[in-house]
Amino acid sequence: DPKIIQKPKYLVAVTGSEKILICEQYLGHNAMYWYRQSAKKPLEFMFSYSYQKLMDNQTASSRFQPQSSKKNHLDLQITALKPDDSATYFCASSQEGNTLYFGAGTRLSVL
Amino acid sequence: AQSVTQPDARVTVSEGASLQLRCKYSYSGTPYLFWYVQYPRQGLQLLLKYYSGDPVVQGVNGFEAEFIKSNSSFHLRKASVHWSDSAVYFCAVSTPGNTGKLIFGLGTTLQVQP
Repeated sequence: DPKIIQKPKYLVAVTGSEKILICEQYLGHNAMYWYRQSAKKPLEFMFSYSYQKLMDNQTASSRFQPQSSKKNHLDLQITALKPDDSATYFCASSQEGNTLYFGAGTRLSVL
Repeated sequence: AQSVTQPDARVTVSEGASLQLRCKYSYSGTPYLFWYVQYPRQGLQLLLKYYSGDPVVQGVNGFEAEFIKSNSSFHLRKASVHWSDSAVYFCAVSTPGNTGKLIFGLGTTLQVQP
């Protein structure tokens, strides 16, 4: 059974709309992350959270907002979607300082 | 800034053959090094990692990698591949004190032919 659940697996959105990507982890980890993989680019670090607090933000745009309502949740809200936002978004978790475990990703297409 | 280069976008080998997937990194100190594998429709799974000590590290499913500091390399090896090893392999680096922020290479797609 997957220990990091990302929902939905696939998402199609229109330009200008808003979407929320869901991530839940059942590994008991205290740190969670978002990474993005765009076409022809390597996986790129976006955010890290520890104990539900933002630790690092490498995303220039404020259109991307992580939301942590519970210790094992880190959702990603994306507003005013653009075609360039099309990518696969991976959630990950770790016991801080240790190995990252990744979810299967949400593939977002913005038309 | 750190960076990771995986020069081979795609590698094709026959089942039972040996394998080497190349990875070079750019970092002035000694980084933490990782290899992840991604099977179709799944998340990334850790194969092995190097933090310090013996430069040859063993991973799951018979994979190993060798850290060569003088060459800034961390190539992945396997003595005999199986068709089920077909997947995308990612090399990644992080730095001490910043282990959650991985810098990834573009990945190498491995196809094992029967």
